[in-house]
Amino acid sequence: DTGVSQDPRHKITKRGQNVTFRCDPISEHNRLYWYRQTLGQGPEFLTYFQNEAQLEKSRLLSDRFSAERPKGSFSTLEIQRTEQGDSAMYLCASGSSREDYEQYFGPGTRLTVT
Amino acid sequence: DAKTTQPNSMESNEEEPVHLPCNHSTISGTDYIHWYRQLPSQGPEYVIHGLTSNVNNRMASLAIAEDRKSSTLILHRATLRDAAVYYCIIAGGTSYGKLTFGQGTILTVHP
Repeated sequence: DTGVSQDPRHKITKRGQNVTFRCDPISEHNRLYWYRQTLGQGPEFLTYFQNEAQLEKSRLLSDRFSAERPKGSFSTLEIQRTEQGDSAMYLCASGSSREDYEQYFGPGTRLTVT
Repeated sequence: DAKTTQPNSMESNEEEPVHLPCNHSTISGTDYIHWYRQLPSQGPEYVIHGLTSNVNNRMASLAIAEDRKSSTLILHRATLRDAAVYYCIIAGGTSYGKLTFGQGTILTVHP
């Protein structure tokens, strides 16, 4: 297994457009997390899946944000009607319920909204 | 989750030990202490975690105070590749593995 992968690595979009990011976790991991990181800050939790169920969403995740994990495998994070404040690094991590808190992060998708 | 306090930055010389402190005075009895690091332009990377006893792995050691209100991450021989932001995170209970990152400590390693 090559670890957690994310696609695309970089995305530049105009304000008001919709964007979708993909995360492929480590195959045997049943937990998947999305975080957002702005410059100079630590990552902030956005949402969490166990298998295909979305079990927790942060208040940071406005109605414009939606995440899915069909069949408990890969996940997508969609941002509708992007705003300049959405510019950030979006990080995906996966883990196993047998090893709480040991999460494996992907390289992230850097979003720039112009 | 309990709040953590870490120095904004620390410096070290290559091949010397580094002790990165973390205060977490509001930690509860079931909370674990976790350390992650983030190298430049990469996602965070798990380093080590512990509950009460000191822990060692191939990357680092974790020393936990007897009252658990503070801990220290120890890098035994710093290398240039250890230059990163180090995050101390307190988590446990029903957080389902959710990590709450602070601002961390920026470690600079000098050759």
